[in-house]
Amino acid sequence: DAGVIQSPRHEVTEMGQEVTLRCKPISGHDYLFWYRQTMMRGLELLIYFNNNVPIDDSGMPEDRFSAKMPNASFSTLKIQPSEPRDSAVYFCASSKLVPSTDTQYFGPGTRLTVL
Amino acid sequence: AQTVTQSQPEMSVQEAETVTLSCTYDTSESDYYLFWYKQPPSRQMILVIRQEAYKQQNATENRFSVNFQKAAKSFSLKISDSQLGDAAMYFCAFMYNNNDMRFGAGTRLTVKP
Repeated sequence: DAGVIQSPRHEVTEMGQEVTLRCKPISGHDYLFWYRQTMMRGLELLIYFNNNVPIDDSGMPEDRFSAKMPNASFSTLKIQPSEPRDSAVYFCASSKLVPSTDTQYFGPGTRLTVL
Repeated sequence: AQTVTQSQPEMSVQEAETVTLSCTYDTSESDYYLFWYKQPPSRQMILVIRQEAYKQQNATENRFSVNFQKAAKSFSLKISDSQLGDAAMYFCAFMYNNNDMRFGAGTRLTVKP
């Protein structure tokens, strides 16, 4: 399996622009997670999906952030409008249905820089 | 609320020696899962080892082993015969029920040749 795939690997944008991050989970995995990693706050869970349905989005910082999962093989995290404080590494992870038999497998991350 | 604490921001070990990374957590739950992840400079998060709280036996994966003390809520990682490729950030993580994984702040491990 190719593992969790994220694109782009690097994104540089200007404040106020819309940013879309993409993720393809491992085939057969039922859960998908979006994390943000910063030096100040470490790794934070933003939102996660089960069978394409958002389950918990309490970690989403504000309304500028939105996430979708239109099908089992694709998810997006959108920031509109972007701000410099959104600069971070964003990870996508996926796991199978039963947490007792599996854990989360992470993608390589997207480094976002907002100027 | 579940919290994970890694009290060692940085650790250093000589190649071929053994090092132990500390992790404590706080929870009122009795059934949960603990993990150690490695993050090398490539930023990829790699699962090193996992432990189910209901298992008393400490998990082992080749040179990596844990010391799980449930009553003390402690979950340390021991790396034996350290290799240069072990140099990375190591994150301790806790997961309960709903797949919500909480991470510690990380420990940066340096391996000296």
